Amino acid sequence: AQTVTQSQPEMSVQEAETVTLSCTYDTSENNYYLFWYKQPPSRQMILVIRQEAYKQQNATENRFSVNFQKAAKSFSLKISDSQLGDTAMYFCAFMKFGGQAGTALIFGKGTTLSVSS
Amino acid sequence: DAMVIQNPRYQVTQFGKPVTLSCSQTLNHNVMYWYQQKSSQAPKLLFHYYDKDFNNEADTPDNFQSRRPNTSFCFLDIRSPGLGDAAMYLCATSRAGNEQFFGPGTRLTVL
Repeated sequence: AQTVTQSQPEMSVQEAETVTLSCTYDTSENNYYLFWYKQPPSRQMILVIRQEAYKQQNATENRFSVNFQKAAKSFSLKISDSQLGDTAMYFCAFMKFGGQAGTALIFGKGTTLSVSS
Repeated sequence: DAMVIQNPRYQVTQFGKPVTLSCSQTLNHNVMYWYQQKSSQAPKLLFHYYDKDFNNEADTPDNFQSRRPNTSFCFLDIRSPGLGDAAMYLCATSRAGNEQFFGPGTRLTVL
């Protein structure tokens, strides 16, 4: 069975600074997806970034980038130039590639990020 | 804009009184999911539909049922809500094997 571990329950950062959220996972699969989802307080969960395991290049989306280390089963999220609107709970999630349609996301327990001015 | 819509956003029910939560989507995705999320926890998958095929998670209580009358709509029925069922219920959709898009959720309160 797959597991996802986020070891930082809470983090805080000042505006304009850079912060890195950690995620490790365990799987015997070779092909899979990894995601970071953001859930602001009382607001909708949205996809921040995705990474296909077969791609060596780390995914980037504007201020958000990942450091994907497949051998180490590590998938950290770096947020550059933090903004107040980045305050949210961040979930790391794993999904098997291919296989049965409708494969579930396996979530970590989340990291609450607070950005202050 | 294509989206996932959940109604109502807030639902209050009494202990043991059946309640139905609604989800609709304009993304034309063939997979729809229902998650339960308790305060400050990760979402927990209850079940999902791949087209009309229903897939129940092994540990989902029998108290929870779902219906998908067509591609666009999916319902979550809680037959006899208990205090422990108070939570945020999230609907998500995807194309098979791709990332999931979430609705805003319905917060259920059980009195």
